[in-house]
Amino acid sequence: QQPVQSPQAVILREGEDAVINCSSSKALYSVHWYRQKHGEAPVFLMILLKGGEQKGHEKISASFNEKKQQSSLYLTASQLSYSGTYFCGRSGGSNYKLTFGKGTLLTVNP
Amino acid sequence: EAQVTQNPRYLITVTGKKLTVTCSQNMNHEYMSWYRQDPGLGLRQIYYSMNVEVTDKGDVPEGYKVSRKEKRNFPLILESPSPNQTSLYFCASTRGGTGGYAEQYFGPGTRLTVT
Repeated sequence: QQPVQSPQAVILREGEDAVINCSSSKALYSVHWYRQKHGEAPVFLMILLKGGEQKGHEKISASFNEKKQQSSLYLTASQLSYSGTYFCGRSGGSNYKLTFGKGTLLTVNP
Repeated sequence: EAQVTQNPRYLITVTGKKLTVTCSQNMNHEYMSWYRQDPGLGLRQIYYSMNVEVTDKGDVPEGYKVSRKEKRNFPLILESPSPNQTSLYFCASTRGGTGGYAEQYFGPGTRLTVT
């Protein structure tokens, strides 16, 4: 079962903030975030592990609430380059078995 | 340059004609995966491989086969393609790590159309 992402789409002006949420009905051992620009392959942003360890991007932060089985991605002071579709992925115990959500389309306008 | 390559990048074929999409990585990664991407459905894992000769089903394995005879290669085989397999396919690899948690590197994608 795929994680549920919200919102499905968001439009920002440059400099505004955005939050993308990811929730799972199945146990989350780790949450993975990727960004995909139009016509390109997904690119790694971040991994959040149970216990709070976080590995990833310098300018984008995220949280992982293990009790609620939720993760949120925080994009602050958005730039035009942030535009794309963001995917969260749920790992059930290993990185290689990964189930992604349907994605959130983020558009940043000048 | 560290990369994942896929071939072909574009393919139009007819129902029932067997095809293979190749995937190769030059990073000596243990783990490799295949995903398909369809509008509104996101990325769905087809198969994954933990190492040579070790593969397992992802979320949507029906109609696909894989093999991992060499560490660097992970081909996706469609024995009898059908129109519902028209999709954008991505191969990915990861080195793994503690518990297998590490970033995946995606190939450029293969756009397959089955008529």
